Amino acid sequence: DVKVTQSSRYLVKRTGEKVFLECVQDMDHENMFWYRQDPGLGLRLIYFSYDVKMKEKGDIPEGYSVSREKKERFSLILESASTNQTSMYLCASSLGLLAGDSYEQYFGPGTRLTVT
Amino acid sequence: QKEVEQDPGPLSVPEGAIVSLNCTYSNSAFQYFMWYRQYSRKGPELLMYTYSSGNKEDGRFTAQVDKSSKYISLFIRDSQPSDSATYLCAMSDAGGTSYGKLTFGQGTILTVHP
Repeated sequence: DVKVTQSSRYLVKRTGEKVFLECVQDMDHENMFWYRQDPGLGLRLIYFSYDVKMKEKGDIPEGYSVSREKKERFSLILESASTNQTSMYLCASSLGLLAGDSYEQYFGPGTRLTVT
Repeated sequence: QKEVEQDPGPLSVPEGAIVSLNCTYSNSAFQYFMWYRQYSRKGPELLMYTYSSGNKEDGRFTAQVDKSSKYISLFIRDSQPSDSATYLCAMSDAGGTSYGKLTFGQGTILTVHP
């Protein structure tokens, strides 16, 4: 079974803090993704990575950065947390480069981040 | 306009009802169509997958894709309380280096009452 784990289920941070969200997958997947999920807005892609040290901006990258130093690990960084970044953050991974190998994304359980 | 539109509901039905969930989309390059199910406090999981147009059936679930209308549907027959979840449609194109990017709908919250 593919397992995607996220470092925390719940996190409370103060405005202006630097926040690290960690994600690890154990199936040697090429692609990894960070989403945020908000009521009525669905899943919005923040950043994704298709290889070690490779990253691409998603639809809402402002205020976020990412790091992928090892294939199994993909980190999301909030450089200076703000209250509008309070959200559920979901990490996902998928198998390969081609769409036919990658339609199934495996998700972690999510991190509920509250910024006060 | 969003690339993928999905009515967020919420949708509440009695046990045994037939449920119809729908999404419309605007990007004609989409070739892969998925439905994910997300239980409360969990990440989404793939429920159904269809390539291009047509129907696909898996037990009580049927996925339909009508590319001419840019419309996809998920039908749940004999709905059960255990089907209560958020259902998200997702799509991707068949580009050679799409990197598996998916575009999700907003998700529909479904509750099936005993």
